[in-house]
Amino acid sequence: DAGVIQSPRHEVTEMGQEVTLRCKPISGHDYLFWYRQTMMRGLELLIYFNNNVPIDDSGMPEDRFSAKMPNASFSTLKIQPSEPRDSAVYFCASSYGRDEQFFGPGTRLTVL
Amino acid sequence: GQSLEQPSEVTAVEGAIVQINCTYQTSGFYGLSWYQQHDGGAPTFLSYNALDGLEETGRFSSFLSRSDSYGYLLLQELQMKDSASYFCAVRDEPGTYKYIFGTGTRLKVLA
Repeated sequence: DAGVIQSPRHEVTEMGQEVTLRCKPISGHDYLFWYRQTMMRGLELLIYFNNNVPIDDSGMPEDRFSAKMPNASFSTLKIQPSEPRDSAVYFCASSYGRDEQFFGPGTRLTVL
Repeated sequence: GQSLEQPSEVTAVEGAIVQINCTYQTSGFYGLSWYQQHDGGAPTFLSYNALDGLEETGRFSSFLSRSDSYGYLLLQELQMKDSASYFCAVRDEPGTYKYIFGTGTRLKVLA
């Protein structure tokens, strides 16, 4: 299996622009998580899905952030409009009803 | 509030044994996991404890004491490749796999 796939790996954008991060979970996994990692705040859970349904989005920082999972093999995290404080590494992880989560390689976002 | 506390940094020499502690204060407790993350890489799962005691997986072991809200990761026969950050994470709600992550411990292994 290819593991969790994320794209793009790096994104540099200007303040105010829309950013879309993409994730393909491991086939057969029924949980998908979006995390943000920064030096100041560590690894924070933003939102997670179970069987494509958003279960808990309490970690989404603002209305500027939105996430979707239209099918079992694809999810997006969108930031509109982006701000410099959104600069971070965004990880997608998936699991199959177990405590072990498999993380993707991450997307390093820089907002200028 | 919810908190997981870990030492920020630990240094040890190759071949030694090191223990990384994690103390948690959460509204609920349904399991403690450990992850390893190399610089520039993604977190990778190491171990999981739901019950008190020691779980061993090769050179790595993880311990849990629910009464003390405490766990640790034990790394034996340290190798240079073990230099990484180590995170503890607690599942604080039943019926989900949502985890709260600690701030991480940076382990430096010296030759």
